[in-house]
Amino acid sequence: GESVGLHLPTLSVQEGDNSIINCAYSNSASDYFIWYKQESGKGPQFIIDIRSNMDKRQGQRVTVLLNKTVKHLSLQIAATQPGDSAVYFCAENIEGNNRLAFGKGNQVVVIP
Amino acid sequence: DGGITQSPKYLFRKEGQNVTLSCEQNLNHDAMYWYRQDPGQGLRLIYYSQIVNDFQKGDIAEGYSVSREKKESFPLTVTSAQKNPTAFYLCASSPDRGGSDTQYFGPGTRLTVL
Repeated sequence: GESVGLHLPTLSVQEGDNSIINCAYSNSASDYFIWYKQESGKGPQFIIDIRSNMDKRQGQRVTVLLNKTVKHLSLQIAATQPGDSAVYFCAENIEGNNRLAFGKGNQVVVIP
Repeated sequence: DGGITQSPKYLFRKEGQNVTLSCEQNLNHDAMYWYRQDPGQGLRLIYYSQIVNDFQKGDIAEGYSVSREKKESFPLTVTSAQKNPTAFYLCASSPDRGGSDTQYFGPGTRLTVL
């Protein structure tokens, strides 16, 4: 099927290395952020989230960092594996709003 | 098995036809959403519903219609008025009506207009 990763920024990573994926957001009133992983032809899968009262949150092999000063969010994947190849995108919720705003995403390609 | 299901996975439509995409969830979530995804673009919100018998237009509602007669179901109709309906359609649900909680996605329906 047609890949959602077409025309997206691509990060090529050697298997076993760490990956860092970045996301800039525009609204300083955003108070909740999510990272999703989407494989070709599938629906987005929740990876990790963070609220604005935190700077860092860790999951299994993943860490999300939030820098509210520069409105920047990053996702770090440790020891990247071939199964990590996908499009990753961030989403933000503005306090009081009842919807999420999604970034376009970054394609991650893991080289065996 | 709990989750969100969408059917069909692939759908083909002739120009001028209306088609309905199914979305069902058994997560007891209040809020449900429909998005459209095109290659190289972020998800764009078509319609959302925070409670049964109520729904609101998203950013690209023209040419689409929805209903929310049951908590579990939020079908999307792509009408003949939608000028460029070929896309990947994603349904999501969330336990929080206010939007400050995770949205969980279904597997998607790929619609192709012939």
